[in-house]
Amino acid sequence: NAGVTQTPKFQVLKTGQSMTLQCAQDMNHNSMYWYRQDPGMGLRLIYYSASEGTTDKGEVPNGYNVSRLNKREFSLRLESAAPSQTSVYFCASSERGQGVANYGYTFGSGTRLTVV
Amino acid sequence: DAKTTQPPSMDCAEGRAANLPCNHSTISGNEYVYWYRQIHSQGPQYIIHGLKNNETNEMASLIITEDRKSSTLILPHATLRDTAVYYCIVISYMNSGGYQKVTFGTGTKLQVIP
Repeated sequence: NAGVTQTPKFQVLKTGQSMTLQCAQDMNHNSMYWYRQDPGMGLRLIYYSASEGTTDKGEVPNGYNVSRLNKREFSLRLESAAPSQTSVYFCASSERGQGVANYGYTFGSGTRLTVV
Repeated sequence: DAKTTQPPSMDCAEGRAANLPCNHSTISGNEYVYWYRQIHSQGPQYIIHGLKNNETNEMASLIITEDRKSSTLILPHATLRDTAVYYCIVISYMNSGGYQKVTFGTGTKLQVIP
């Protein structure tokens, strides 16, 4: 049971380069999320997708774009990377829930991105 | 979304119970309390959740006050591997099948001491 899979695990970019972080889940969850975590800080929501075909901005969307390719996949794109985007990026998914038989979020293992 | 307040750090002796408090005074009736932990820089891991009754699983116990304004996560016999950051969050379940959008704070850094 893979859960949420993120690729790549590590990446170093030069300022101005672009890249796409990939995320896929195999739990048939409706909702998917991208977070970033900076040293000593909590998780901050970048973008989320409530369901296939919809995306919305979170707390810190500037400099990012997302695509909900299908129900399984939600990608995060940095069009022109900046040093301020150096961070650990986590993808998560959740099931639209009713009742207690729900485990909230399932997280991937993260992508460690350094922009130099 | 209701916000939560947690102490930034706590220490616990190995083998003793670790009691991690969380304040969620603005919680509403359809919001559940969830606890996650993050070890090193791995992705947060689900621990336990509850609505108003106390809950227990193989990892921990969750005690929710009667007014639901606060809760305590209990790790009954803390080990060194329980050293982590623990997040308390609230999640709303909308009957119409709405989505969850939750803000994680900075959590409590629990240090288990040998």
